[in-house]
Amino acid sequence: AQSVTQLDSHVSVSEGTPVLLRCNYSSSYSPSLFWYVQHPNKGLQLLLKYTSAATLVKGINGFEAEFKKSETSFHLTKPSAHMSDAAEYFCVVILEYGNKLVFGAGTILRVKS
Amino acid sequence: DAGVIQSPRHEVTEMGQEVTLRCKPISGHNSLFWYRQTMMRGLELLIYFNNNVPIDDSGMPEDRFSAKMPNASFSTLKIQPSEPRDSAVYFCASTTGRETQYFGPGTRLLVL
Repeated sequence: AQSVTQLDSHVSVSEGTPVLLRCNYSSSYSPSLFWYVQHPNKGLQLLLKYTSAATLVKGINGFEAEFKKSETSFHLTKPSAHMSDAAEYFCVVILEYGNKLVFGAGTILRVKS
Repeated sequence: DAGVIQSPRHEVTEMGQEVTLRCKPISGHNSLFWYRQTMMRGLELLIYFNNNVPIDDSGMPEDRFSAKMPNASFSTLKIQPSEPRDSAVYFCASTTGRETQYFGPGTRLLVL
């Protein structure tokens, strides 16, 4: 069965420093993977998605993620954190059949000034 | 496009009352999903529809919950009777095929 594991429940960085949010996936096939962001009291917004094209995926707000099959990882990165990046981030995989999503537990990103 | 529209945005009700949450998916999307989000359980898929037909309702907690999609532009999630443990944020999302799911702003439900 497909699943995702977000390795950190909380990440804290200083403004201007790099962001790394880790996600490992489990899948018997080449998966489609997503990162969503949820700001406080808001809905979920798509950051980026991987669908077996380029392994380095660029998303909105300067975020990107690299699909590494050998490591079964899809980590989210950003070179320089901004205060507005403080939010909860979800790594998501779509099931092999149908269009049901499986969400990771989420990582709360805190950005310190 | 206005995106996925949910109403009401906030609902406060008393235990035992009926609650109806509404969702209008993005025009042209043929799949609609209802999720519940709580601190304890995170995001849970309750039910989803393809072409107005319920495909998977295994996430619906119990018989007090029901969902309908009478047409391609409208869905409801009903809780009757409501209980305090139903307090959560309920999200609706829509998509077409295996593309990106677009989420609504959510309905924040508080059952006293």
